[in-house]
Amino acid sequence: NAGVTQTPKFRVLKTGQSMTLLCAQDMNHEYMYWYRQDPGMGLRLIHYSVGEGTTAKGEVPDGYNVSRLKKQNFLLGLESAAPSQTSVYFCASAGGEKLFFGSGTQLSVL
Amino acid sequence: ILNVEQSPQSLHVQEGDSTNFTCSFPSSNFYALHWYRWETAKSPEALFVMTLNGDEKKKGRISATLNTKEGYSYLYIKGSQPEDSATYLCASVNAGNNRKLIWGLGTSLAVNP
Repeated sequence: NAGVTQTPKFRVLKTGQSMTLLCAQDMNHEYMYWYRQDPGMGLRLIHYSVGEGTTAKGEVPDGYNVSRLKKQNFLLGLESAAPSQTSVYFCASAGGEKLFFGSGTQLSVL
Repeated sequence: ILNVEQSPQSLHVQEGDSTNFTCSFPSSNFYALHWYRWETAKSPEALFVMTLNGDEKKKGRISATLNTKEGYSYLYIKGSQPEDSATYLCASVNAGNNRKLIWGLGTSLAVNP
């Protein structure tokens, strides 16, 4: 039982490049979330999903897109990366009340 | 209170000391209050989820209380150990908000041996 798995763990992009972060959970959870964590800012919600086929915007959605085609996977896409998107990204899922987090993706955009 | 506020921002204690910190949250439309422990270079792990006014929960040396009427929760650590060093996050959830958590900035605890 792996819980929540995020890939990749690290990535360096050049401005304008695109990439997709994958979040996979094996707990049959309905709710999934993408957060970014920046120094002094706390966890900020980018997008979330309340079930397969659904997505919704969080606090800071601009520059990101998401898809939840399968219940177990929640993908976060950056179409044209910008230096302001340098951050640590965390995925989380929830079936009951508490959230289970992935190990994070450290992304640098140069 | 519109946001979730945690105090103090950071705390240094000696091994064996007991400590506590505060989470203040919007009391209107309250649904749940979460506490998470976040160790450096790891991901946050859930400690407690509380929903009822007066709730008290305990996990080993760590306990938490909840006052939904005045909008605060306390986290207590009894006899702090170096392995308790971490950032402790709280988050509130409002009713009908699709379980979106409103996060505080955390209290960073350092326990000196």
